[in-house]
Amino acid sequence: TQLLEQSPQFLSIQEGENLTVYCNSSSVFSSLQWYRQEPGEGPVLLVTVVTGGEVKKLKRLTFQFGDARKDSSLHITAAQTGDTGLYLCAGGRSFGNEKLTFGTGTRLTIIP
Amino acid sequence: ETGVTQTPRHLVMGMTNKKSLKCEQHLGHNAMYWYKQSAKKPLELMFVYNFKEQTENNSVPSRFSPECPNSSHLFLHLHTLQPEDSALYLCASSQTGQGGNQPQHFGDGTRLSIL
Repeated sequence: TQLLEQSPQFLSIQEGENLTVYCNSSSVFSSLQWYRQEPGEGPVLLVTVVTGGEVKKLKRLTFQFGDARKDSSLHITAAQTGDTGLYLCAGGRSFGNEKLTFGTGTRLTIIP
Repeated sequence: ETGVTQTPRHLVMGMTNKKSLKCEQHLGHNAMYWYKQSAKKPLELMFVYNFKEQTENNSVPSRFSPECPNSSHLFLHLHTLQPEDSALYLCASSQTGQGGNQPQHFGDGTRLSIL
C-alpha cells in the first residue's frame, strides 16, 4: 500500500507568517499534485510537479518535488486568511492506472 | 464552478432506505471517480470508471453500487447503509491516457448522514 503522510496534521498561524507543509512517502511517484479544499467544497488542484527536484511557484506558494520523487513540500510566504483550508497532496503513477493516492492532509488556519 | 456537479448536496437517510447520488461532468473527461471523505481519515478512493467501464473497486461493501451509463454521468446507489457510512462523498473526473498524472476535477460533494 502506497501511503502519503502529510505533516503537520494541523497548523494555525498568524496572518503574515511563513509556513511549510510536507508530504512524504516511501514509494516513488511519477507526479505529485497539490490540492486545496475549502469548507463545503471539493478539492481544487493547485499544481502538479513531475520532475525530481522540480520547483514551481504560484504567487506566494512554492512547491517542490523531492529529487527521488518520494516527497514534496509546500511553502507559503506571508500567509493570508484566504489560504485557510485543507491541503492535500496526491501521488500518481504514469501508466495503466488513472488513480491517485491522496495524503492524510494538513488543515491550515490563518488567524487575522 | 468546477464543471463537476453533484446532487443532492445533503442527504439524510435511515439505514433501511434506498437512495442514489448523482454526478455529472461537463468537461469532456473519460474517467470518473467516487471518493469517501471522513473526518480524521485520508480521502478514500471507492470506484474508478474509464470509458464507462469499472477499472477499480477498492474493496467497497456491496451496499454501495456504482453505475456509469456514459462518460458524463456517474451514480452511486445506496441501500441498507450503516452509521459509519456517514461521510462526504466526492465525485471527480479526469482525462485518461497518462495514468495518475492527470489532474482530477472534483464536485462539491454530497454530505450523507445515516440515522
